[in-house]
Amino acid sequence: GDSVTQMEGPVTLSEEAFLTINCTYTATGYPSLFWYVQYPGEGLQLLLKATKADDKGSNKGFEATYRKETTSFHLEKGSVQVSDSAVYFCALSDLKTSYDKVIFGPGTSLSVIP
Amino acid sequence: DGGITQSPKYLFRKEGQNVTLSCEQNLNHDAMYWYRQDPGQGLRLIYYSQIVNDFQKGDIAEGYSVSREKKESFPLTVTSAQKNPTAFYLCASSRDREGGNEQFFGPGTRLTVL
Repeated sequence: GDSVTQMEGPVTLSEEAFLTINCTYTATGYPSLFWYVQYPGEGLQLLLKATKADDKGSNKGFEATYRKETTSFHLEKGSVQVSDSAVYFCALSDLKTSYDKVIFGPGTSLSVIP
Repeated sequence: DGGITQSPKYLFRKEGQNVTLSCEQNLNHDAMYWYRQDPGQGLRLIYYSQIVNDFQKGDIAEGYSVSREKKESFPLTVTSAQKNPTAFYLCASSRDREGGNEQFFGPGTRLTVL
């Protein structure tokens, strides 16, 4: 079945460092891909998405490119801030094979220190 | 502003009691979902509903029940049959096929069994 794999956390970075959180997926169809962010004690918020191959999603300085050839959707940011400290979830929705569900990765915790 | 509301934010339950968690949305979304999140874990799907008066079990439905009598509302009951109910519960909705099944989340309810 469909699945999402994320790099294990926690990740700790200094402010202004470059961030990469790896995400790879397995899907039989042509899924849409998402990154969600969860701040402590809150629900998830959509950070960015891409619905077809080679699309780049971007928001708040974060970017991710839908790479069908490597089945990846890595999250990047050029210069992180303390306010980026949160848990990041990669997710997919394959309307052909898992029409009703979104498959979430386990999440990657990011801590940014001043 | 449109969005999803969950209440209460914190809920305490004695063993053997049933409790109901509220979820309301004014986004006019057809699909609604309930997830459970344990500390340091990803999201696990409990139940979901695509239309009024219809719902399906997710991956961990045992010990839970739901109803969908109105489009706007999808309450979750945690029954005494749920052996380990202490967790963070998240409700979400989506426009279904539009936007690749992008999900919108509520702020969550933290349930603690005393």
